[in-house]
Amino acid sequence: GEDVEQSLFLSVREGDSSVINCTYTDSSSTYLYWYKQEPGAGLQLLTYIFSNMDMKQDQRLTVLLNKKDKHLSLRIADTQTGDSAIYFCAENKGSSNTGKLIFGQGTTLQVKP
Amino acid sequence: ETGVTQSPTHLIKTRGQQVTLRCSSQSGHNTVSWYQQALGQGPQFIFQYYREEENGRGNFPPRFSGLQFPNYSSELNVNALELDDSALYLCASSPKGAGTRVGYEQYFGPGTRLTVT
Repeated sequence: GEDVEQSLFLSVREGDSSVINCTYTDSSSTYLYWYKQEPGAGLQLLTYIFSNMDMKQDQRLTVLLNKKDKHLSLRIADTQTGDSAIYFCAENKGSSNTGKLIFGQGTTLQVKP
Repeated sequence: ETGVTQSPTHLIKTRGQQVTLRCSSQSGHNTVSWYQQALGQGPQFIFQYYREEENGRGNFPPRFSGLQFPNYSSELNVNALELDDSALYLCASSPKGAGTRVGYEQYFGPGTRLTVT
């Protein structure tokens, strides 16, 4: 995922908010995604945002998109121990008719009780 | 509703051998994408299949090939296995998109862990 960068590790206390950040390089990307991966499992689609939006909220999750700076963030409110996982940011880098997702390296979120 | 399923779960092969991995897409989904995830890395796009044809390919050599069947299930074939092919292989299926958009909403299966010795 050389085109998408994330910090590798974030540690928070249970009940706090977590903010995971991501930068991407392709300004023509139409969709940007957040996926969650628990140990030994596949990827779970948490949410995605269309590039003409700057914010999307879904229960405890808030996605912010700054298209000018090519910066995407995921905020998890009231973080729980069950939120401990690796979080991947991804951009859709294909043409409009190819869903080629480019992933970052993932951010490991550790939630301390 | 059944999600994306993959088989087998784990596989051990020897260098030079060939392997076939299988994926059943989620009900109502018509597009399948395959990714390779090396340990500690994000997934890398191998290719996508739509209407039984390859619809985009990543930076993988021709020994990585695939098929999609009329029921939208798919296979990933890897010939002449190399040690670096050891990874988690993930399949994702997508519902029919709006207009010409294909495969932008991807739901992943649990993956097949391939070890090449």
